[in-house]
Amino acid sequence: GAVVSQHPSRVICKSGTSVKIECRSLDFQATTMFWYRQFPKQSLMLMATSNEGSKATYEQGVEKDKFLINHASLTLSTLTVTSAHPEDSSFYICSAHRYNEQFFGPGTRLTVL
Amino acid sequence: GQQLNQSPQSMFIQEGEDVSMNCTSSSIFNTWLWYKQDPGEGPVLLIALYKAGELTSNGRLTAQFGITRKDSFLNISASIPSDVGIYFCAGQFGNEKLTFGTGTRLTIIP
Repeated sequence: GAVVSQHPSRVICKSGTSVKIECRSLDFQATTMFWYRQFPKQSLMLMATSNEGSKATYEQGVEKDKFLINHASLTLSTLTVTSAHPEDSSFYICSAHRYNEQFFGPGTRLTVL
Repeated sequence: GQQLNQSPQSMFIQEGEDVSMNCTSSSIFNTWLWYKQDPGEGPVLLIALYKAGELTSNGRLTAQFGITRKDSFLNISASIPSDVGIYFCAGQFGNEKLTFGTGTRLTIIP
């Protein structure tokens, strides 16, 4: 149990376009999900905490208007990178919270040309 | 954001050797977690520690929660090829967000 999926696993887009990444908890409900960003050879950095039915909480330095988060149901959170630029190219990982434990998704590799 | 200091940054060992790595923080945590991340994948939880001084094993892995609550250690005994990857520690205080370490990259030399 406690499986988290992400879609897509890889995405390549042109600069200026928007990209939506989905995070799903497959066999449990999660009122809280987290979005992380990981640059090559670096650690995971928390971007925002996604709460079902309410606004996301963003970490300092993360632009909420650029990284739109929607947690519309107990099993789905989405991250939309708006007007993507090459510097947004990264590995985006979500996690879902259950019983004081975070279960991580497999990640989404975003490449912005 | 804050990161925990993890050392060593990378390790090159031969198959069968034991591995030790540690994680230190300037602030205390009441939960320490150790994860392994394979290339292109999300992190997978290896061991969770909930009490200062706690020593917990998971197969060939052993981790300890430091007495000061500001550090943790992970040991891997008799390494095998599938141990290759990046190991991250993470600290948590209460139900707050996780703070990740800088990572230790483990490479096994044939």
